[in-house]
Amino acid sequence: DAGVTQSPTHLIKTRGQQVTLRCSPKSGHDTVSWYQQALGQGPQFIFQYYEEEERQRGNFPDRFSGHQFPNYSSELNVNALLLGDSALYLCASSSNSRSYNSPLHFGNGTRLTVT
Amino acid sequence: AQSVAQPEDQVNVAEGNPLTVKCTYSVSGNPYLFWYVQYPNRGLQFLLKYITGDNLVKGSYGFEAEFNKSQTSFHLKKPSALVSDSALYFCAVRDSINFNKFYFGSGTKLNVKP
Repeated sequence: DAGVTQSPTHLIKTRGQQVTLRCSPKSGHDTVSWYQQALGQGPQFIFQYYEEEERQRGNFPDRFSGHQFPNYSSELNVNALLLGDSALYLCASSSNSRSYNSPLHFGNGTRLTVT
Repeated sequence: AQSVAQPEDQVNVAEGNPLTVKCTYSVSGNPYLFWYVQYPNRGLQFLLKYITGDNLVKGSYGFEAEFNKSQTSFHLKKPSALVSDSALYFCAVRDSINFNKFYFGSGTKLNVKP
């Protein structure tokens, strides 16, 4: 049973460029959330996708956008990259039918470096 | 608003000794608390959770956590530390409305020395 998978594992981009990160949720999960983990900090919530729609958004600018596909996989897009966008981007999946009892399942993340 | 705090950036303990990693929380409503562990260049792995019920929660790899409502704390504990427990530990609280939104602490690096 595959867990949450993310690609690529590492990425180096230049300021001003655009990047797309990908995530496949754990089997049986239909909800994907994205988190940004800057160096030395805890993960911060970017947004959540369910039924192909953004359901809630954290305190991130519109440069951060996403998409969810019919097979529940998701993409995170970041436009006009800044040096401060360098971080580990984590995808987490869950089942919307579950309760507060269920934990989030995380992928291994994509390490984005902006130069 | 929900938040958690981890007052220690780093905890050092000798192998075989008990360990405690501290976490305090601030929530509106019922607290849904979690501990995750992160190894280098990896994602977060779920250790244990407190939703309701017994104040002592048992989780993976011999870890347990004690929920204390009066002190608003949820400290992670293990009776006998292993070198392989060395990692970054995060306390988290679930949002009371959107259960996919977690608020994480800043993390505590646990170093277990042989």
